[in-house]
Amino acid sequence: AQSVAQPEDQVNVAEGNPLTVKCTYSVSGNPYLFWYVQYPNRGLQFLLKYITGDNLVKGSYGFEAEFNKSQTSFHLKKPSALVSDSALYFCAVRIPSGYSTLTFGKGTMLLVSP
Amino acid sequence: KAGVTQTPRYLIKTRGQQVTLSCSPISGHRSVSWYQQTPGQGLQFLFEYFSETQRNKGNFPGRFSGRQFSNSRSEMNVSTLELGDSALYLCASSPQGGDQPQHFGDGTRLSIL
Repeated sequence: AQSVAQPEDQVNVAEGNPLTVKCTYSVSGNPYLFWYVQYPNRGLQFLLKYITGDNLVKGSYGFEAEFNKSQTSFHLKKPSALVSDSALYFCAVRIPSGYSTLTFGKGTMLLVSP
Repeated sequence: KAGVTQTPRYLIKTRGQQVTLSCSPISGHRSVSWYQQTPGQGLQFLFEYFSETQRNKGNFPGRFSGRQFSNSRSEMNVSTLELGDSALYLCASSPQGGDQPQHFGDGTRLSIL
């Protein structure tokens, strides 16, 4: 079975500071990993994914994520946070075999203060 | 290219009624998945359809059902509604699944009175 853990319910950061939203996963084999963002009253928007290759993945809106196989982590990062980055962030995992489903973490609320 | 469209956006029902939600995927996408989102349980997978066939099913009672049409549009039906079915129901599409990201609609907010 596959699972995703987002250990922080909420992350607070000041505008202009770097931000990190943590994600760890548990799967058998190599995972497909995704980050999504959700704004109020909207669906989820895809930010970035890791499939294979370079451990540092760059995505939309200046976000990036680092895949660490030994620590089974896929933390989301941004060098300089914006107030508009305030939203709910979801990490998700899928195994690359058969018709596997996408499993989401419970989400982390990011609050960026001016 | 138009995104994933879900209708209606808001719905109010009473216990015991049934409801049908609709999802139009991005043109060319053959995989459609449905999720239930609640504050307490987060995002829970309901089912996935691919080329009119149910490919995966989550751990929900039989009151929850779905189908996909030949044009890839999908519907989700919930019968004998319960208070606990109040949630945001999200539909997502992708070309085939796998390593391809899912694209989400803005959801249908279902409230049960």
